[in-house]
Amino acid sequence: EVLLVESGGTLVQPGGSLRLSCSASGFTFNDYAMSWVRQAPGKGLQWVSGIGVGGQNKHYADSVKGRFTVSRDDSKNTLFLQMNTLAAEDTALYFCAKDVAQRSVTTVPDYWGQGTLVIVSS
Amino acid sequence: QVVLTQSPSASASLGASVKLTCTLSSGHSSYVVAWHQQQPEKGPRYLMKINSDGSHTKGDGISDRFTGSSSGAERYLTISSLQSEDEADYYCQTWGSGILVFGGGTKLTV
Repeated sequence: EVLLVESGGTLVQPGGSLRLSCSASGFTFNDYAMSWVRQAPGKGLQWVSGIGVGGQNKHYADSVKGRFTVSRDDSKNTLFLQMNTLAAEDTALYFCAKDVAQRSVTTVPDYWGQGTLVIVSS
Repeated sequence: QVVLTQSPSASASLGASVKLTCTLSSGHSSYVVAWHQQQPEKGPRYLMKINSDGSHTKGDGISDRFTGSSSGAERYLTISSLQSEDEADYYCQTWGSGILVFGGGTKLTV
């Protein structure tokens, strides 16, 4: 059974930093691209970042480019999102997702975690 | 950049069928589109991918009550024999060059 468990979400002050983790199991983690997708309270899904197989290809939404960094540790089956210079607009539930295909870039998430909540507020 | 447009809401009765629409922006009518379901207070669940020719590939364990189709720049998700648990938000999604794009979502009331 594919399982994705996010952690690291908490209340943080504007301008602060946070590192989210996503622990994966039930599939060969290093064979799949992975994504981070967020959902602000009462809003829709917004793609944040993706990382391909091997970690060479990384992509970011314009709204987080230069502030967020995605990475992966294939030896620990874990996906990360380092978030710096956080702002109120970054308040959201952050989901990690496994990609449907074994590719160097993300295409379609076929398994999702339950999310970890990040609140940016003073 | 491709844009996906969805109606904000839809409603149908228990046991009936409903067809949700996702429209691709001009010049992107050949794109593959995926559908995801998000029940209240849950993470999203992948339903299927739909090609421009209407062929589709479902996710693991997705009921036969969910089918996909296509016409021009529109991608459809049809849910038949509606059940109470089908009440959820439905998002269409596509991609390009490593960037994922989501539609605004349709809230389905059963």
